Amino acid sequence: DAKTTQPNSMESNEEEPVHLPCNHSTISGTDYIHWYRQLPSQGPEYVIHGLTSNVNNRMASLAIAEDRKSSTLILHRATLRDAAVYYCILRRDQTGANNLFFGTGTRLTVIP
Amino acid sequence: DSGVTQTPKHLITATGQRVTLRCSPRSGDLSVYWYQQSLDQGLQFLIQYYNGEERAKGNILERFSAQQFPDLHSELNLSSLELGDSALYFCASSRQVAGYEQYFGPGTRLTVT
Repeated sequence: DAKTTQPNSMESNEEEPVHLPCNHSTISGTDYIHWYRQLPSQGPEYVIHGLTSNVNNRMASLAIAEDRKSSTLILHRATLRDAAVYYCILRRDQTGANNLFFGTGTRLTVIP
Repeated sequence: DSGVTQTPKHLITATGQRVTLRCSPRSGDLSVYWYQQSLDQGLQFLIQYYNGEERAKGNILERFSAQQFPDLHSELNLSSLELGDSALYFCASSRQVAGYEQYFGPGTRLTVT
C-alpha cells in the first residue's frame, strides 16, 4: 500500500480554519484518499474521502492536488472538539477488501 | 455513538491465557473489521469479514483468530497471550464489502500481566 506523510503535530486557534496536509507521492490511479480522526479515548471516526475532485461534507473539506500527490483536509472553523489525531489513508479500490492502513497521523491541538 | 458495540470494555488476564472479544456491528452492516492499537505499532488492521466470510487479512498473528456469525456479530479470539498483546482492540463495520466509511466501536482494552 502506498504511504502517506503527515506532520506529527499542528496547532490551531479556536474558530480559525485549519489546513492539515498529507503527502502521498506514490499514490496510484485507483487509490482513494480517506481521512479519519481519533478523539481522545475513542475509536477512529470517518471524516471524508475522495478520489480526484475536491469534496465537501458537514465535517470538513478535502482538497486534492491536480497530480494527486498531496491533499489537504480543511476544517473551516476549529472547535475544541476537533482536537484529535487526524489520519490520512490511501485505500486501493479492491473488490472484496476495504482494509485501512493507518499511519502515525497529525495530532491537532486547538487553543482556546 | 457509532452504533458499533464491543464487549468487554476492559479485560485483564495473564500470559498464556485465551480471551474472546465480541463485536456487534451497526444495524444493516455486513462487513466487520478488527484493528489493534498499541503504543509502539499504532493502529493496525487485523482481519475483515463480510457476511460470514473472511475477505481480507492484515497483520494478524497465528495465535489470533476471528469469525463472523449468522447474526453478523463477530468474535476475535486471542490465545497464548503474551505481554506484547496488551493493546486496544477496535472493531469497525461498514455497509458493503468495499464500504467507503467504516464505523468504529469504542474498543476493548486488553491488559496482559
